[in-house]
Amino acid sequence: AQSVAQPEDQVNVAEGNPLTVKCTYSVSGNPYLFWYVQYPNRGLQFLLKYITGDNLVKGSYGFEAEFNKSQTSFHLKKPSALVSDSALYFCAVRDEGSGNTGKLIFGQGTTLQVKP
Amino acid sequence: KAGVTQTPRYLIKTRGQQVTLSCSPISGHRSVSWYQQTPGQGLQFLFEYFSETQRNKGNFPGRFSGRQFSNSRSEMNVSTLELGDSALYLCASSAIKTGELFFGEGSRLTVL
Repeated sequence: AQSVAQPEDQVNVAEGNPLTVKCTYSVSGNPYLFWYVQYPNRGLQFLLKYITGDNLVKGSYGFEAEFNKSQTSFHLKKPSALVSDSALYFCAVRDEGSGNTGKLIFGQGTTLQVKP
Repeated sequence: KAGVTQTPRYLIKTRGQQVTLSCSPISGHRSVSWYQQTPGQGLQFLFEYFSETQRNKGNFPGRFSGRQFSNSRSEMNVSTLELGDSALYLCASSAIKTGELFFGEGSRLTVL
């Protein structure tokens, strides 16, 4: 069965410092991996995805993520955090074998708090 | 390019009633998926429609149903509402080639 784990409920970081939001996954085949962000009372916004290719994926708003197959991880990173990055972040996975379908398995989410 | 549009944004119902939520996908997207978001269960997949056919279904009771029209617009219906159905219902559309989902702002349902 597919699953996603975000081990931290909350990550606190000072503005200007680098940030990392962790994600590990489990799928039977090759993973399609995604990061989304959600601001209060809003829908989810797509940040980036890994399908194949380079392990370092660059996305929106200066975010990037590193795919590590041996550790089954897909951690979200940003070199310098902004207060406006404070939000709820979701990692999601889809098994390659399921094709381009709309069924993603989401992690429980990590609240990122960036303090001035 | 307009994003995914969901209506209504907020609604309040009482137990036993039924509700219909609407979703208009991004132009050209033929796949529409629905998710339920609650504080306790997180984001859970309800179902997906593609070309008016249900392609995937999550583990929800039969009270939850949906459909898709020829213009790709989708509706979901929840009958005999229960208190536990209170949630943010999110619709997402996707293009076949790229695979990522684009979400609407959601419909927040409160059941009293």
